[in-house]
Amino acid sequence: AQSVSQHNHHVILSEAASLELGCNYSYGGTVNLFWYVQYPGQHLQLLLKYFSGDPLVKGIKGFEAEFIKSKFSFNLRKPSMQWSDTAEYFCAVRWDFGNEKLTFGTGTRLTIIP
Amino acid sequence: NAGVMQNPRHLVRRRGQEARLRCSPMKGHSHVYWYRQLPEEGLKFMVYLQKENIIDESGMPKERFSAEFPKEGPSILRIQQVVRGDSAAYFCASTDRRGGSQETQYFGPGTRLLVL
Repeated sequence: AQSVSQHNHHVILSEAASLELGCNYSYGGTVNLFWYVQYPGQHLQLLLKYFSGDPLVKGIKGFEAEFIKSKFSFNLRKPSMQWSDTAEYFCAVRWDFGNEKLTFGTGTRLTIIP
Repeated sequence: NAGVMQNPRHLVRRRGQEARLRCSPMKGHSHVYWYRQLPEEGLKFMVYLQKENIIDESGMPKERFSAEFPKEGPSILRIQQVVRGDSAAYFCASTDRRGGSQETQYFGPGTRLLVL
């Protein structure tokens, strides 16, 4: 079965530090890739998405992610973190098998220390 | 800004009771997805509905769980005879059309169900 792995379950960083969160998925083929963020007490918000084209995608709030097809990866990055980035981050994949559902990773809880 | 609405936000039930969770999609959206997030786990797909149709229920437990999305009104996820293992956050997402490769799901705030 398809699966999505986020290897960092809890990350603690200081403000201004750089961020890279890993996301790997199990199968190849055509995929749509997403990163969602959930701030404390709020709903999931879309950070960025990849459907096709340039494998380096830019999202909101200075986040970007790079799709590396050969590595089945879609890592999230941000060069300088802010305290307000404290949240839980979810990677999600939709495989183009005619199935609409998203498969999520387990999430990374990110804490930014002022 | 009328996003995806879910209610209640928190629901407490005793074992054996019924839980009814509601989801109103974004305006103009006619496709709804339900996901469940168990403690310390990611969101897992449960069911995908279009108005008056269940498109994919491959993630639904075989018993006690049902979902509907009537022509009028919100989508309902119903859990009968709840057990402690049903305690989770239930998220609803909506889109404006079925399928395709350029579709984004927009999520509601979730309903946190606690079964005592």
